[in-house]
Amino acid sequence: LAKTTQPISMDSYEGQEVNITCSHNNIATNDYITWYQQFPSQGPRFIIQGYKTKVTNEVASLFIPADRKSSTLSLPRVSLSDTAVYYCLVGDETYNQGGKLIFGQGTELSVKP
Amino acid sequence: DAGVIQSPRHEVTEMGQEVTLRCKPISGHDYLFWYRQTMMRGLELLIYFNNNVPIDDSGMPEDRFSAKMPNASFSTLKIQPSEPRDSAVYFCASSGTGVNEQYFGPGTRLTVT
Repeated sequence: LAKTTQPISMDSYEGQEVNITCSHNNIATNDYITWYQQFPSQGPRFIIQGYKTKVTNEVASLFIPADRKSSTLSLPRVSLSDTAVYYCLVGDETYNQGGKLIFGQGTELSVKP
Repeated sequence: DAGVIQSPRHEVTEMGQEVTLRCKPISGHDYLFWYRQTMMRGLELLIYFNNNVPIDDSGMPEDRFSAKMPNASFSTLKIQPSEPRDSAVYFCASSGTGVNEQYFGPGTRLTVT
């Protein structure tokens, strides 16, 4: 399973754009890149998933370069409520290949007023 | 849909007692997962089921832990006998056909004294 490396913590201010980069140098051909968000005292919540290039939804954007060895989660105009831990995961989408989610330490994002 | 439902939300028990955690997955989801989260070890996958059948239990820490899924709408995680080091938040999650998009419950905070 591909290992991911991401910053332990980040600070930001309300209204700013936040970019969290994740390294996954040994990503496999079948692997997808997925990001989760976890608020204190809650379970993780799926944010976004991508395979290559750029993916955007109502919450965030995910940028994946051509070599797929890293990815960047972009949160536009963060608010205090975006304070959470963000996890980057890499893995096969299909269960029949033994795929399963392996959570690392995540990035603790703190948004200040 | 009410999402993944877990009970109890909090459990305090004494060492040596049996503990049973319960989970109701989202209707129609074929996969069910049990995770454990602690400050020291982060979020760990314990076991997951597909169509009520256990597929991967390699994360179950020891024989004191057991999990069952008697039907598509109910699963239990049992610890017998419990020990203080089992204190953690236990999450249940479910998903449809994809590994990477899982829906987590609110968790059960277990304290073993």
